[in-house]
Amino acid sequence: AQSVTQLDSQVPVFEEAPVELRCNYSSSVSVYLFWYVQYPNQGLQLLLKYLSGSTLVKGINGFEAEFNKSQTSFHLRKPSVHISDTAEYFCAVRFAGGTSYGKLTFGQGTILTVHP
Amino acid sequence: DVKVTQSSRYLVKRTGEKVFLECVQDMDHENMFWYRQDPGLGLRLIYFSYDVKMKEKGDIPEGYSVSREKKERFSLILESASTNQTSMYLCASSFGGPTFNEQFFGPGTRLTVL
Repeated sequence: AQSVTQLDSQVPVFEEAPVELRCNYSSSVSVYLFWYVQYPNQGLQLLLKYLSGSTLVKGINGFEAEFNKSQTSFHLRKPSVHISDTAEYFCAVRFAGGTSYGKLTFGQGTILTVHP
Repeated sequence: DVKVTQSSRYLVKRTGEKVFLECVQDMDHENMFWYRQDPGLGLRLIYFSYDVKMKEKGDIPEGYSVSREKKERFSLILESASTNQTSMYLCASSFGGPTFNEQFFGPGTRLTVL
């Protein structure tokens, strides 16, 4: 079965510290990978995406993620977080093949809380 | 500027009521989606539509129906609301085609069924 797992439901961190949010997926087909962010009382916004090419992907607000095919992972990183990064982060996967019309499968979400 | 709007931010309904959630996009997108967001479960796809009057079931369609009479508008219908449908509902839209196109999300409707 195809699934997406975010390994941490909550990640507390101090301002200016580095952070990694983990995402693993289960699939026997090719995948497209995404990270979305949801700020309080807002909809989701795309942070970054991996469709093909370089496995290191850079996104908005200083975030980056690395696609590791052998470990079926797509972890999100930021070297120095800011208070304004406090939000919920979702990993999402589009599994290739079929007539999915761009359907995404989302992970459970990780709440990142940045403390001063 | 890209925009997906949802008719209400907060909605309170009683068990058994018929509930309509409306979503409108102004980007001429072919695809539209309805998700349900619950703590610890992430987003789960209820229904999606890839063209006017076309729809497909997502992962959790039970208890819901949808309507897409115009390209820009996608409605989610709860025929007889139940307390287990209390949730945040998110609408999204994207261009169609064979490659991935980014989904743009609305701000969400928080529905409480009493």
